[in-house]
Amino acid sequence: NAGVTQTPKFQVLKTGQSMTLQCAQDMNHEYMSWYRQDPGMGLRLIHYSVGAGITDQGEVPNGYNVSRSTTEDFPLRLLSAAPSQTSVYFCASSYGLAGANEQFFGPGTRLTVL
Amino acid sequence: KQEVTQIPAALSVPEGENLVLNCSFTDSAIYNLQWFRQDPGKGLTSLLLIQSSQREQTSGRLNASLDKSSGRSTLYIAASQPGDSATYLCAVPSWGKLQFGAGTQVVVTP
Repeated sequence: NAGVTQTPKFQVLKTGQSMTLQCAQDMNHEYMSWYRQDPGMGLRLIHYSVGAGITDQGEVPNGYNVSRSTTEDFPLRLLSAAPSQTSVYFCASSYGLAGANEQFFGPGTRLTVL
Repeated sequence: KQEVTQIPAALSVPEGENLVLNCSFTDSAIYNLQWFRQDPGKGLTSLLLIQSSQREQTSGRLNASLDKSSGRSTLYIAASQPGDSATYLCAVPSWGKLQFGAGTQVVVTP
């Protein structure tokens, strides 16, 4: 199993550009989520999904869109990048709801918005 | 709102000493508690998951205890090694997400 994979590993954007961060898992997990990690702020939940076709907002959803068309993939879209979105983004997955079972994290995407 | 605190924020020990990392949470009604390790510039690696019905969980040199009534968990790492240097985070489920502590940065000196 590859586990949770994320692409790209690094990305630099200019303000106003859009892009999609990719996340995939091969463990047939129902629950997938996106976090951002910032110094002094810890990990904060952006969006999550409890299954294909079902998504919901987390703690800091503004400026991000998600969709879940398959069990395996959960892409995160930045509509119009802003410097405040400079961060490290982690995708996570688990069998069942978050917290009910062990969560597995991807290696992260380091995003810089100029 | 569930709040998770980790003390100390940083810890430096000589190789061979035992490590004791603390995690406290404000709402004791949790399903479980998970400990993670994060190396610089890397993702989170799950170390241990303790279910609410358990008092402790062990994996190799790692032992985690959970006391729901007092809102505390402790991660013990026996006979520390330089390779144990990393940031350790604890997390508890809260309203459909994991609520993380800020982490304890550990340095084990040879």
